[in-house]
Amino acid sequence: GNSVTQMEGPVTLSEEAFLTINCTYTATGYPSLFWYVQYPGEGLQLLLKATKADDKGSNKGFEATYRKETTSFHLEKGSVQVSDSAVYFCALSEWGLSTGNQFYFGTGTSLTVIP
Amino acid sequence: GAGVSQSPSNKVTEKGKDVELRCDPISGHTALYWYRQSLGQGLEFLIYFQGNSAPDKSGLPSDRFSAERTGGSVSTLTIQRTQQEDSAVYLCASSSKPGGLGYTFGSGTRLTVV
Repeated sequence: GNSVTQMEGPVTLSEEAFLTINCTYTATGYPSLFWYVQYPGEGLQLLLKATKADDKGSNKGFEATYRKETTSFHLEKGSVQVSDSAVYFCALSEWGLSTGNQFYFGTGTSLTVIP
Repeated sequence: GAGVSQSPSNKVTEKGKDVELRCDPISGHTALYWYRQSLGQGLEFLIYFQGNSAPDKSGLPSDRFSAERTGGSVSTLTIQRTQQEDSAVYLCASSSKPGGLGYTFGSGTRLTVV
């Protein structure tokens, strides 16, 4: 079946530090991969996505590369800011007739950036 | 509308009562999804609608849960005889076509069963 495993948190970093949040997946087919972010008190927002192997998704200084050989989609940012404090979810989606574009989410990684 | 709208945003109910959660998707979005976000357990897929039809209801946690969609628009998720383990944030999402990757989530309904 499909599943996503991501790095447990919480993660605390100083401003301008380098961020990596590890994510690996198991999939039966050829999924698309995503990172979603949930800021305090807000809903889930798409951060970036990649639809095939070797694609790199990027947004707001974050990036992640779809690595089929290691079944990974690690999230990175070179210099985090206080405003990046949020919960980050790795997810995959696969199309199915009865489930549509169902998403499988990791359990989330809480990031706190301190000034 | 501009985004996916869910109501109520917060609901506190007594154990054993029925609750109804509402989702108003983005206008024109044919695909609609319900998920549950439980503390420490990530997001769990509940059900998918294409138009008014839900091909597979096996993701609903128990027979106390039901969902419907009318007019290809608004969807309601009903939980009968609520239990404390039903406490969670219920999220709705919509997309413009069945295979579309453009998923937009609502802000969710936080359900607390006391």
